[in-house]
Amino acid sequence: GQSLEQPSEVTAVEGAIVQINCTYQTSGFYGLSWYQQHDGGAPTFLSYNGLDGLEETGRFSSFLSRSDSYGYLLLQELQMKDSASYFCAVGNNLFFGTGTRLTVIP
Amino acid sequence: ETGVTQTPRHLVMGMTNKKSLKCEQHLGHNAMYWYKQSAKKPLELMFVYSLEERVENNSVPSRFSPECPNSSHLFLHLHTLQPEDSALYLCASSQGKGTGNEKLFFGSGTQLSVL
Repeated sequence: GQSLEQPSEVTAVEGAIVQINCTYQTSGFYGLSWYQQHDGGAPTFLSYNGLDGLEETGRFSSFLSRSDSYGYLLLQELQMKDSASYFCAVGNNLFFGTGTRLTVIP
Repeated sequence: ETGVTQTPRHLVMGMTNKKSLKCEQHLGHNAMYWYKQSAKKPLELMFVYSLEERVENNSVPSRFSPECPNSSHLFLHLHTLQPEDSALYLCASSQGKGTGNEKLFFGSGTQLSVL
């Protein structure tokens, strides 16, 4: 089977850095993906890690450690518009976590 | 705009009604998906179509019936639904064959309420 664990809520201050962790169990590993979803909007792809290490895309970075079945999404220089839900996803045809609701405060 | 369009955006139906959700992708992708998103639950994969052939059916009740007439269109036919089926139904597409950890492009979803 497959399971994912991520924190349900995180609050951070504008301009700060926040890390959203994800631990997973999956029978077949096809990489770890991250998606962002604003209230009332569609999930949008943020990042993918197929191998161990850090992937950087602008203010967002994602990290994977396959030996620890663990990854994280790092958001730097937080902006108010980053307030959204963030989902990690693994496996064939993408099994999603329950999501982390990030609230950025002034 | 992600290139995946879903209609209607909102739908209210009774338990005896029959309705259909529509999804269209303008990206030239090969695979299309239906996901269900309920409050406080993870996105649940319902169906996957690759090149118009169903490749995944995730133990979904028969009151949900998908149809993929071509690689650009996907429907979800609904009949005799239950109140617990109320949720956001999301369509997605990907470039590949619908296997592996592919980059998904989601539509904005249909918010369904079953009375």
